[in-house]
Amino acid sequence: DVKVTQSSRYLVKRTGEKVFLECVQDMDHENMFWYRQDPGLGLRLIYFSYDVKMKEKGDIPEGYSVSREKKERFSLILESASTNQTSMYLCASSSRIQGGRYEQYFGPGTRLTVT
Amino acid sequence: DQQVKQNSPSLSVQEGRISILNCDYTNSMFDYFLWYKKYPAEGPTFLISISSIKDKNEDGRFTVFLNKSAKHLSLHIVPSQPGDSAVYFCAASENYGQNFVFGPGTRLSVLP
Repeated sequence: DVKVTQSSRYLVKRTGEKVFLECVQDMDHENMFWYRQDPGLGLRLIYFSYDVKMKEKGDIPEGYSVSREKKERFSLILESASTNQTSMYLCASSSRIQGGRYEQYFGPGTRLTVT
Repeated sequence: DQQVKQNSPSLSVQEGRISILNCDYTNSMFDYFLWYKKYPAEGPTFLISISSIKDKNEDGRFTVFLNKSAKHLSLHIVPSQPGDSAVYFCAASENYGQNFVFGPGTRLSVLP
């Protein structure tokens, strides 16, 4: 079974703090993603990575950065947390399945509250 | 502007009846569609998919229908069970790619 783990289930941080969210996958997937989930907006892509040390901006990258030093680990960094970054953060990795299509596997999520 | 829309934020259905969840999209380049199911405090899990070369895909109690001309897909769950109560996300990608665009989700409640 594919396993995607996230370092924390719940985090409470203060405005201005630097926040690290860690994600690890154990299936040797090349592709990893960070989303945030907000009510009424669904999942919105923050950043993704197709390979080690490679990153691409998603739809809402402002206020975030990422790091991928090892294939299995993808970190999301909030340089200076703000209250509008209070959200559920979901990490995913993907693999190619039959027919050349992709399937994404998600971690359990980190509920971040910035006060 | 959302490219993938799920216009019903919530849906309640009686156990044993059919649940129909709808999804509309605006990007005619989308050619691969998925449904994910999400329980509270868990990540989404893959449920069923369909490619644009088909108009129907079935997996047990779950069937997805695609109407390309209307840019509409629907997920049918028959019969609905209380364990199906979750948030369902519709997602789409172009060129069978791996960057998916997600809809806002529909919360399904199956009442015993």
